[in-house]
Amino acid sequence: GENVEQHPSTLSVQEGDSAVIKCTYSDSASNYFPWYKQELGKGPQLIIDIRSNVGEKKDQRIAVTLNKTAKHFSLHITETQPEDSAVYFCAAAYSGGYQKVTFGTGTKLQVIP
Amino acid sequence: GAVVSQHPSWVICKSGTSVKIECRSLDFQATTMFWYRQFPKQSLMLMATSNEGSKATYEQGVEKDKFLINHASLTLSTLTVTSAHPEDSSFYICSARADALGNTEAFFGQGTRLTVV
Repeated sequence: GENVEQHPSTLSVQEGDSAVIKCTYSDSASNYFPWYKQELGKGPQLIIDIRSNVGEKKDQRIAVTLNKTAKHFSLHITETQPEDSAVYFCAAAYSGGYQKVTFGTGTKLQVIP
Repeated sequence: GAVVSQHPSWVICKSGTSVKIECRSLDFQATTMFWYRQFPKQSLMLMATSNEGSKATYEQGVEKDKFLINHASLTLSTLTVTSAHPEDSSFYICSARADALGNTEAFFGQGTRLTVV
């Protein structure tokens, strides 16, 4: 089955700096890569996703890149704000069948004011 | 985005009793629903996938007789933890998707904190 690794497990940045979280996946059939933000005691919330037919996607301060050859994908948050502090999960799925989503291990991001 | 609601948000039960958690899609019909379990400071682990009107597909290592899943309608799935024990204490999260072929986003509920005492 799919295996998703995520690094780093914790990340502290100063407000205004950028944060980068990296993930690797194992199943070459995976073609959908969502990123989720989870605040304490809440369910995950989708913040951005990318499909295998594109290499980069951007939404305001958030961007995601995908390298299918290397099976790497990354989340980039620019101009970080204290409200960006949360746990972020990458995930991988094959958007056929029932699209079982495999989550990474999570990154706790702390933005220091 | 679409709304998925879980009930209750938290529950405390005695060891040996059963607990039912509901997952509802409020503004769309959920062809497929997923149930996850999340232990503190850990990732979400998929327990089972359910499709409306069909038996759930359980992940390896998840006891189907202990974690009963019912997806009787396109807007409601339930997870019943039977004969709960303290080790079942966890954060249970459901997600729902409109398209069984995986072409649409899956929306997550807010989670249910189960504590077995």
